[in-house]
Amino acid sequence: NAGVTQTPKFQVLKTGQSMTLQCAQDMNHEYMSWYRQDPGMGLRLIHYSVGAGITDQGEVPNGYNVSRSTTEDFPLRLLSAAPSQTSVYFCASRTERRGPYGYTFGSGTRLTVV
Amino acid sequence: KQEVTQIPAALSVPEGENLVLNCSFTDSAIYNLQWFRQDPGKGLTSLLLIQSSQREQTSGRLNASLDKSSGRSTLYIAASQPGDSATYLCAVKAPGGGSEKLVFGKGTKLTVNP
Repeated sequence: NAGVTQTPKFQVLKTGQSMTLQCAQDMNHEYMSWYRQDPGMGLRLIHYSVGAGITDQGEVPNGYNVSRSTTEDFPLRLLSAAPSQTSVYFCASRTERRGPYGYTFGSGTRLTVV
Repeated sequence: KQEVTQIPAALSVPEGENLVLNCSFTDSAIYNLQWFRQDPGKGLTSLLLIQSSQREQTSGRLNASLDKSSGRSTLYIAASQPGDSATYLCAVKAPGGGSEKLVFGKGTKLTVNP
């Protein structure tokens, strides 16, 4: 049982490049979310999904796209990277079907945009 | 708008001491409160989850309490060890399916000195 797996762990992008951050969970959780963590700002919600085919915006969605074609995967796409998107990105999942009901987080992707 | 505050921002204690970390939130209408641990450069590890109907949860040397009416939670760590050194984050989730966002505090950085 791997939990929430994020790839890559580290990435350097040039301004204007696009990329996809991968997130996969093997716990059959219906809810998945993406957060970014910045010094002094804490963790902020980017996008979330309540099930396959259903996504919605969080607190800071601009510049990011998501889709959820399967229960297991929830990729985060950066359309045209900007230095302001330099951050640590965390994927999380949870379920309402059985306890415990809290969030499980992945180990993060550290992204630098130059 | 829910706001979560953690005091103190940093704490340094000698090994063996019992300690309390504080978390306060402005809106008492929460679904649950979760305590996490984050080691430098790592992801978030869930420590304890307290549902809104519960008053406390215990796991080993950790005990978390919740007082919704006063908007407070405490994380008690007994007999602290150098391995407990990390940043501790609390996060609250609002009730309802349309509020998937976890609101995080900025954390308490704990250092346990041998």
